[in-house]
Amino acid sequence: AQTVTQSQPEMSVQEAETVTLSCTYDTSESDYYLFWYKQPPSRQMILVIRQEAYKQQNATENRFSVNFQKAAKSFSLKISDSQLGDAAMYFCAYRSNPGTASKLTFGTGTRLQVTL
Amino acid sequence: NAGVMQNPRHLVRRRGQEARLRCSPMKGHSHVYWYRQLPEEGLKFMVYLQKENIIDESGMPKERFSAEFPKEGPSILRIQQVVRGDSAAYFCASSKGWDYNSPLHFGNGTRLTVT
Repeated sequence: AQTVTQSQPEMSVQEAETVTLSCTYDTSESDYYLFWYKQPPSRQMILVIRQEAYKQQNATENRFSVNFQKAAKSFSLKISDSQLGDAAMYFCAYRSNPGTASKLTFGTGTRLQVTL
Repeated sequence: NAGVMQNPRHLVRRRGQEARLRCSPMKGHSHVYWYRQLPEEGLKFMVYLQKENIIDESGMPKERFSAEFPKEGPSILRIQQVVRGDSAAYFCASSKGWDYNSPLHFGNGTRLTVT
């Protein structure tokens, strides 16, 4: 079974600065997908960014980018020019290539605080 | 296009009562997933359904919990004889398919409190 580990329960960043959230995973599969979700106090789960394992190029979405290291099974999220609205819980998630299992497996989350 | 709709937003039940949580997927989505989130924890997979079929229920407790996704109407997660440990936020997600271009879209969750 796949597992996802987020070793940073809490992180803090100053507004306009850059922060990196860590995520590692364990799998024996070669083809899979990785995601970062954001959960603000409203509880809504919002998809931030996603990455296909067979793509070497790191995904980017505006101020959000990932550092995907397949051999190391690492998938970190970098938030640039942090804003107050970025404060939330961030969850890393793994999804098998369809045909085997389609569910998401989540890490335990990292709470991000953004300070002035 | 309305998002995934879950109701109720909050549900309070006494121990021993039944809880019914509803989820209407996004229009055109035929895959539904249920997750449970305990306080300060990540989301734990419970069950994955595709219209009228349970595809994966590996995360579902063996007793008291059941889920359905009928041909017509919302998906229902049913918890019989609730206990205090069932108190959690329950999230539903839907997708159009199971491929990479069909990401999961989540609802706002139902917070169940068992008194």
